[in-house]
Amino acid sequence: GAGVSQSPSNKVTEKGKDVELRCDPISGHTALYWYRQSLGQGLEFLIYFQGNSAPDKSGLPSDRFSAERTGGSVSTLTIQRTQQEDSAVYLCASSPRGRGTGNHGYTFGSGTRLTVV
Amino acid sequence: DQQVKQNSPSLSVQEGRISILNCDYTNSMFDYFLWYKKYPAEGPTFLISISSIKDKNEDGRFTVFLNKSAKHLSLHIVPSQPGDSAVYFCAASAQGAQKLVFGQGTRLTINP
Repeated sequence: GAGVSQSPSNKVTEKGKDVELRCDPISGHTALYWYRQSLGQGLEFLIYFQGNSAPDKSGLPSDRFSAERTGGSVSTLTIQRTQQEDSAVYLCASSPRGRGTGNHGYTFGSGTRLTVV
Repeated sequence: DQQVKQNSPSLSVQEGRISILNCDYTNSMFDYFLWYKKYPAEGPTFLISISSIKDKNEDGRFTVFLNKSAKHLSLHIVPSQPGDSAVYFCAASAQGAQKLVFGQGTRLTINP
């Protein structure tokens, strides 16, 4: 597609339930990133994919968080046993080569707003 | 450990005047810096970038200045327009690293 697509755009879930967030990057972009923005905070790095592998998972806050990427394209971020502190906007971004280099940096999707009640 | 800091959560500027957004960083390994702009309910969009080999980069109304010795960068918008009202994030990356580290953002409001 023309841009980075994320679904759902909004998700309300009960505490303790599992959720899956989906990201469809720009076609041909090998690098894919997940960030989250909690209320009043900056963008917090979660995980980076190059192709299907995830060389940097350092930002995942706990073992309840996992992500995968299949076929070098779509990525899914899964949060198990959600907690209220997981409420945030989860943003996905992609770039052609990684590091956001070149003149255009990353291209972000519009995000998934997750609310855990 | 906040490696990229935007100490002003908000800034209000009159239309037509200059907006100056500031960003400080602590990691001397950062060598590439970017500014992103974010409207509500949208993802951040890339605005302008600068490599550490430069101290200034200009694109239309937007200019980014980098002071490596002070570990400080700034974004100048002149003249400011109502459509510039948004949250602005600065970001940085280090050679060999693949991720961008973002600041907390500054909400810019342009008043008519």
